[in-house]
Amino acid sequence: SAVISQKPSRDICQRGTSLTIQCQVDSQVTMMFWYRQQPGQSLTLIATANQGSEATYESGFVIDKFPISRPNLTFSTLTVSNMSPEDSSIYLCSVQEPLNTEAFFGQGTRLTVV
Amino acid sequence: AQRVTQPEKLLSVFKGAPVELKCNYSYSGSPELFWYVQYSRQRLQLLLRHISRESIKGFTADLNKGETSFHLKKPFAQEEDSAMYYCALKRIQGAQKLVFGQGTRLTINP
Repeated sequence: SAVISQKPSRDICQRGTSLTIQCQVDSQVTMMFWYRQQPGQSLTLIATANQGSEATYESGFVIDKFPISRPNLTFSTLTVSNMSPEDSSIYLCSVQEPLNTEAFFGQGTRLTVV
Repeated sequence: AQRVTQPEKLLSVFKGAPVELKCNYSYSGSPELFWYVQYSRQRLQLLLRHISRESIKGFTADLNKGETSFHLKKPFAQEEDSAMYYCALKRIQGAQKLVFGQGTRLTINP
């Protein structure tokens, strides 16, 4: 199993600012994902973080709003840019190995935009 | 497109009673189905997957391809089963991303 540390665990931010969320894994993993969970909603995949290349974004999510870095196989960041109250959500990092269908999740970052 | 539906947002049963959390999916190919659980103040974790055909914490789930369902069942609920449950789908081949249902909050009353 993989142990994932996500930072910060929560934050309150002013609209118009940006927040970078970090995801650190205790082992090298092939696949890393970023999810969003809006209040009362399910988890929605934002993008797949690819090591050494640009992230693959899902429909409705764009790089300018959610830039992602993945410099190596154990670390990734998600930035929520130019925030508005609608960005208030829990953001989750998840990792998975191709031969292991189980996904592991970070504890999440609870973001409130005021 | 893949889609997972959990019709019940909230489910409340008494301790010792049977539990069934419903999950239906739509996907034209061969899916892999999962149940993930999030206990209070804990992170989301895998409960069980259909390919394992195992019982975890007394829970079982059978993939019914005819009805495109993957309902989660437990014959006798326990208070520690109170949690948020998510049904999720993944393609067997191709993209490894998970598609989640809306989640069901299960409350076991003493």
